[in-house]
Amino acid sequence: NAGVTQTPKFQVLKTGQSMTLQCAQDMNHEYMSWYRQDPGMGLRLIHYSVGAGITDQGEVPNGYNVSRSTTEDFPLRLLSAAPSQTSVYFCASSTPGQGRAGYTFGSGTRLTVV
Amino acid sequence: DAKTTQPPSMDCAEGRAANLPCNHSTISGNEYVYWYRQIHSQGPQYIIHGLKNNETNEMASLIITEDRKSSTLILPHATLRDTAVYYCIVRVVGSGYSTLTFGKGTMLLVSP
Repeated sequence: NAGVTQTPKFQVLKTGQSMTLQCAQDMNHEYMSWYRQDPGMGLRLIHYSVGAGITDQGEVPNGYNVSRSTTEDFPLRLLSAAPSQTSVYFCASSTPGQGRAGYTFGSGTRLTVV
Repeated sequence: DAKTTQPPSMDCAEGRAANLPCNHSTISGNEYVYWYRQIHSQGPQYIIHGLKNNETNEMASLIITEDRKSSTLILPHATLRDTAVYYCIVRVVGSGYSTLTFGKGTMLLVSP
């Protein structure tokens, strides 16, 4: 049981390049979300999804796109990377209502934009 | 979701109990108190949650005051591996989706 898997673990991009951060979960969780974490800060919500085909914006959505074609996968797309998007990105999944885990987080993708 | 207030840092000696406080004076009746921790460079890890009763699991105990305006996370015998940032979060739990809103948390340093 892998939980939440994020790839790649590290990435360096040049300004203006595009890329997709991958997130997959094998727990059949309905909810998935993307957070970013900047140095010394807590996590901030970028986008989230309550099920396949349904996505919505979080606190800091600008510069990012998401889609949810399957329950398992929730990729995060950077269309034109900027240095301000240098951060650590975490994907999380959860189930509705109460639950022991609430949210299960991946191990993160460390992105540097130069 | 209600805001929480936590001290920015705390120290604890290895083997002693670590008591991490959290104020959530504006908590609503349908909001639970959740605790997560983040060990350096890793994703946050769920620890425990509760509504109004005290809770205990294999990792920690959660003490919630009767008025629910504050809580304390207790690590009964802290180890060096418990050094992490601890986040107290209040969150509505029901049939629909609710987000986790992270503050800056408390950096707990466990020393030998």
